[in-house]
Amino acid sequence: GQNIDQPTEMTATEGAIVQINCTYQTSGFNGLFWYQQHAGEAPTFLSYNVLDGLEEKGRFSSFLSRSKGYSYLLLKELQMKDSASYLCAVMDSNYQLIWGAGTKLIIKP
Amino acid sequence: GAVVSQHPSRVICKSGTSVKIECRSLDFQATTMFWYRQFPKKSLMLMATSNEGSKATYEQGVEKDKFLINHASLTLSTLTVTSAHPEDSSFYICSARTPQGTEAFFGQGTRLTVV
Repeated sequence: GQNIDQPTEMTATEGAIVQINCTYQTSGFNGLFWYQQHAGEAPTFLSYNVLDGLEEKGRFSSFLSRSKGYSYLLLKELQMKDSASYLCAVMDSNYQLIWGAGTKLIIKP
Repeated sequence: GAVVSQHPSRVICKSGTSVKIECRSLDFQATTMFWYRQFPKKSLMLMATSNEGSKATYEQGVEKDKFLINHASLTLSTLTVTSAHPEDSSFYICSARTPQGTEAFFGQGTRLTVV
């Protein structure tokens, strides 16, 4: 079956760095997405990786290893507003998104 | 970036009535749109895939007669929750596939409360 795994919850300190991991097993692969979702709001697109390697976008970076079925989202210089759920999703061979359950990130002062 | 507009953002309706939710792609033509439902503290659940000019493809367990989807144009898809019941209360989110084929843009979501 298809499966996306990511930690349920993580806690980090303001100003620090946090890495949120995502492992996947899907039928085919057409890219991996990371989304940020604040409580009660729709997800916001953060990144899209389809090739191996690191994509950097400001304070956020996303890494992909297709051979390992692994990705991570790296958040630097954490701010209180980064407290949110972070969703990992993989687009399978049918171009459908398979979703992880999300990682709730709690930022402490 | 591309913008997808979803309306209304919140709606409260009485049990037994129907509610229509609109999803518009404002600056690109979306041949395919997706409708999701999200329960509290859960991930997004795909309900159906909406294709312009043809019938929607529903996921297993989703009642097509209850959740009517119409994708009449390249920029508009609608989801109608018919004969709503309290258990239909949820957060409904649409997304639109860009012409390049990547699905990255979501509507703002609709919080439906059935009383």
